[in-house]
Amino acid sequence: LAKTTQPISMDSYEGQEVNITCSHNNIATNDYITWYQQFPSQGPRFIIQGYKTKVTNEVASLFIPADRKSSTLSLPRVSLSDTAVYYCLFMNRDDKIIFGKGTRLHILP
Amino acid sequence: NAGVTQTPKFRILKIGQSMTLQCTQDMNHNYMYWYRQDPGMGLKLIYYSVGAGITDKGEVPNGYNVSRSTTEDFPLRLELAAPSQTSVYFCASNTGLPTNEKLFFGSGTQLSVL
Repeated sequence: LAKTTQPISMDSYEGQEVNITCSHNNIATNDYITWYQQFPSQGPRFIIQGYKTKVTNEVASLFIPADRKSSTLSLPRVSLSDTAVYYCLFMNRDDKIIFGKGTRLHILP
Repeated sequence: NAGVTQTPKFRILKIGQSMTLQCTQDMNHNYMYWYRQDPGMGLKLIYYSVGAGITDKGEVPNGYNVSRSTTEDFPLRLELAAPSQTSVYFCASNTGLPTNEKLFFGSGTQLSVL
């Protein structure tokens, strides 16, 4: 199965930009990279998706290098409410959607 | 538009009891998924379905069964509850388009087996 690797946890301060990197060495040609956010006691929520280069929406940016073996989620000017677990994942060839352990982001005042 | 609805929200079972976790979606999504999440851990895929009448195992299927008789419903059955099945269960759905279409999640069912 395809696998992603992310840092287990990160701390940052309010107002700073936070970058979370995900490694995915065996990503397939047709796979899109997707990031989800999960707050305690809630299901994950879609943040952003991309295939290559850069994607930006109202919440975040996603940077994907040409070799697509990694991706970086960028959260601009974080606030306390951005404290959550962030998952990087992509669709496997056999339609399973597998979540990794995610990155616990803790925003400090 | 309700999205993905899960019932019940909470349940306590005794060891050996059985129950069905209900999941229904009103978005006409072909793909549906069941995940479990243990405290402080990531989500583990239990079963998934790519359409009515089709189901397949995920990462941790043992102790569970599913059925998909309609597009809307994807119930998860626990036949002989065990303490190891204490977890939060999430149902999700998406269109299953070739791109990694976003998943829509239900609010979860918190299950305790004592």
